[in-house]
Amino acid sequence: GENVEQHPSTLSVQEGDSAVIKCTYSDSASNYFPWYKQELGKGPQLIIDIRSNVGEKKDQRIAVTLNKTAKHFSLHITETQPEDSAVYFCAATSTQKKSSGDKLTFGTGTRLAVRP
Amino acid sequence: DTEVTQTPKHLVMGMTNKKSLKCEQHMGHRAMYWYKQKAKKPPELMFVYSYEKLSINESVPSRFSPECPNSSLLNLHLHALQPEDSALYLCASSQGVVTYNEQFFGPGTRLTVL
Repeated sequence: GENVEQHPSTLSVQEGDSAVIKCTYSDSASNYFPWYKQELGKGPQLIIDIRSNVGEKKDQRIAVTLNKTAKHFSLHITETQPEDSAVYFCAATSTQKKSSGDKLTFGTGTRLAVRP
Repeated sequence: DTEVTQTPKHLVMGMTNKKSLKCEQHMGHRAMYWYKQKAKKPPELMFVYSYEKLSINESVPSRFSPECPNSSLLNLHLHALQPEDSALYLCASSQGVVTYNEQFFGPGTRLTVL
């Protein structure tokens, strides 16, 4: 099955600096890569995603890049703010047989702290 | 309405109790999921329901019994749990069975087994 590795496990940045989180995956059949943000006491919330036919996607201060050949993808947050502090999970999924639904495999998570 | 609701928010139960977790969505999604999340760990998939039928069971012990009464509701029945089953149980839903569908997560039920 799929295996997703995520680094770093913790990241502390000064407000206004950039933060980068990296993930690698093992299954070359994986074709969808979402990123989730989980705040304390809440469920994960999708912040950005990328499909395997796209190399980069940007949404305001957040961007994701995908290198299919190397099987890695990264999350970039620019101009970080204290409210960006949370745990971030990358994930990967491949299409199961049509009636199955999506089986997401999560990375181990990165705890981001943005210092005011 | 892009919300997945879960009840109860917290649950404490003994090892001989029977309890149920409930999940509800009104987004018209046809796939629903149960995940288990231990502290400082990522969510781990337990079950997937697609069009109200169980499509994926990740070798979950039989003391966890899922049920999907209709397309909006998902239950997780708990019986004879162990203390190591204490965790945050997350429900999610997605539009259908095609890849690229965002999974919307609920806030979770924090379960403590004594």
